[in-house]
Amino acid sequence: KAGVTQTPRYLIKTRGQQVTLSCSPISGHRSVSWYQQTPGQGLQFLFEYFSETQRNKGNFPGRFSGRQFSNSRSEMNVSTLELGDSALYLCASRLRGGNTGELFFGEGSRLTVL
Amino acid sequence: ELKVEQNPLFLSMQEGKNYTIYCNYSTTSDRLYWYRQDPGKSLESLFVLLSNGAVKQEGRLMASLDTKARLSTLHITAAVHDLSATYFCAVPTYAGGTSYGKLTFGQGTILTVHP
Repeated sequence: KAGVTQTPRYLIKTRGQQVTLSCSPISGHRSVSWYQQTPGQGLQFLFEYFSETQRNKGNFPGRFSGRQFSNSRSEMNVSTLELGDSALYLCASRLRGGNTGELFFGEGSRLTVL
Repeated sequence: ELKVEQNPLFLSMQEGKNYTIYCNYSTTSDRLYWYRQDPGKSLESLFVLLSNGAVKQEGRLMASLDTKARLSTLHITAAVHDLSATYFCAVPTYAGGTSYGKLTFGQGTILTVHP
């Protein structure tokens, strides 16, 4: 069974640009969450999507947005990049309605903003 | 606002020794998750603790949950070098119904096991 797949794995952008990251969940998982990991702030929740609707949102500025498609794949977008957006962006999927709520994480997309 | 605190944040152990990582959280939750992260890698699920008094064991790691004390422990028995990694606990915030919404993670405990 394939795991959570994230693309691209690594990318370098400059300040002011925008970036789109993609996530394909585990087959059958319809809930997708995004997290940002930085050395200073640790792991922080960005948002969760289910049935193409944002169900929960973390405390991030509006430059961070996401969406989910009918096949449960998700994308997140960061506009007007800042140096502080450099981070590992992790996508996770879960079987919504399952009894554990366990999240399964992808390998992440490492974004460097210059 | 839910806060999750781990201690210690850094743990240097000798092989063969035992130690415990603690995870405290500030609001009611009936479940808690432990994850492992190797350098430059993603998060690997270790344990899902679903009720008060839950205890799970896998190899040299054992995790427990006390929901009344809002405390989970991850006990390491006879540490080996392969256990060197960063360990995170995480607690869900309910977003209504059966949705577990977001996870709030602890700061992580960086474990280094020396020969």
